[in-house]
Amino acid sequence: DGGITQSPKYLFRKEGQNVTLSCEQNLNHDAMYWYRQDPGQGLRLIYYSQIVNDFQKGDIAEGYSVSREKKESFPLTVTSAQKNPTAFYLCASNPGQNSPLHFGNGTRLTVT
Amino acid sequence: GESVGLHLPTLSVQEGDNSIINCAYSNSASDYFIWYKQESGKGPQFIIDIRSNMDKRQGQRVTVLLNKTVKHLSLQIAATQPGDSAVYFCADPQGSSYKLIFGSGTRLLVRP
Repeated sequence: DGGITQSPKYLFRKEGQNVTLSCEQNLNHDAMYWYRQDPGQGLRLIYYSQIVNDFQKGDIAEGYSVSREKKESFPLTVTSAQKNPTAFYLCASNPGQNSPLHFGNGTRLTVT
Repeated sequence: GESVGLHLPTLSVQEGDNSIINCAYSNSASDYFIWYKQESGKGPQFIIDIRSNMDKRQGQRVTVLLNKTVKHLSLQIAATQPGDSAVYFCADPQGSSYKLIFGSGTRLLVRP
């Protein structure tokens, strides 16, 4: 089945450590996205990539980094510079503009 | 700035009744809207979308209505079932950009 796989589902880290969240898609979509969701709130865009080897900052990119070396993969690194990293992180993809996003089932990151 | 928002944070309905979830948007250039359903601990699932050249679109048990005059859209769920309990988001790609702006969500609770 085609879809988006995020791993791991739960991740725990100590404050001050960088951590990388995995996102893989086999939908052959050009565009990929990372969103952050805090309890009881909507989704906020961290980074997005329209095509391989290119990505743009979203609304809350500070403290995060991404890479897009392959079409299928869009890993997100949460750095120690991110002040409030504990959140639910969602990866998504779509074929291009004005088409629905397909989401993974998220990674819940807890930093203590 | 531009935003997509929801009128009610929580909606409680009796099983079998119809549900109506509302969403307001502020960007006059918005021409495409998407409704998502998010169950607890999972990523959002696409429900239905509508483009601005339409004022109504129907799916299986769901109908989306778009009123461009007052910048309002609604999601109607017929014969609401317990499995419909979730948070519902409307989203707007903000014109021609790749960025999808989400509202904060409405939680739908279905009473048996």
